[in-house]
Amino acid sequence: SQTIHQWPATLVQPVGSPLSLECTVEGTSNPNLYWYRQAAGRGLQLLFYSVGIGQISSEVPQNLSASRPQDRQFILSSKKLLLSDSGFYLCAWSLGLAGVDTQYFGPGTRLTVL
Amino acid sequence: AQKITQTQPGMFVQEKEAVTLDCTYDTSDPSYGLFWYKQPSSGEMIFLIYQGSYDQQNATEGRYSLNFQKARKSANLVISASQLGDSAMYFCAMRGGSYIPTFGRGTSLIVHP
Repeated sequence: SQTIHQWPATLVQPVGSPLSLECTVEGTSNPNLYWYRQAAGRGLQLLFYSVGIGQISSEVPQNLSASRPQDRQFILSSKKLLLSDSGFYLCAWSLGLAGVDTQYFGPGTRLTVL
Repeated sequence: AQKITQTQPGMFVQEKEAVTLDCTYDTSDPSYGLFWYKQPSSGEMIFLIYQGSYDQQNATEGRYSLNFQKARKSANLVISASQLGDSAMYFCAMRGGSYIPTFGRGTSLIVHP
């Protein structure tokens, strides 16, 4: 069966510091990978998605970037964090991009920027 | 453009009773999928149920069923025999030809003993 991991689970960082969040998927090959952000009490905002190694699509302009160095690894980064980057970050995977393809989510990383 | 609307910010239900969480959607895609997720206080988004736009029958998964009314563009989640552990946020989502999933703002469900 497939599993998805995220780390760290929680993170407190000062403004201006760098960020690296990691997501890995086990039990499947060539998954589509996604990064979402959820602000407190809000819905999900899609940040990035990737259909393959080195292929990143950005949905919103922002202070963050994503990379996919390996088939089942997805990394969310920032060179300098802003207060507005605080939130709950969720990684997800799916087999395809079609309407029938269910997304499965990881446990999330709660980021607080002070 | 796709749109998901969840009009109930909060719902309360007595344990062992059934509850319906509303979801309406808008899309011009002829083929799409509708999903419901549960998000407990721990934060993880747990997939509950899927309904395809061409499916003739309503989807069911254990105590969860999806009341799909295509003409009305609604995809309500029905939870039967509510349990205390059902207390969580519930999100409706859809995915069509644009490949990009769209999520609603969620409904908070509280189950009372």
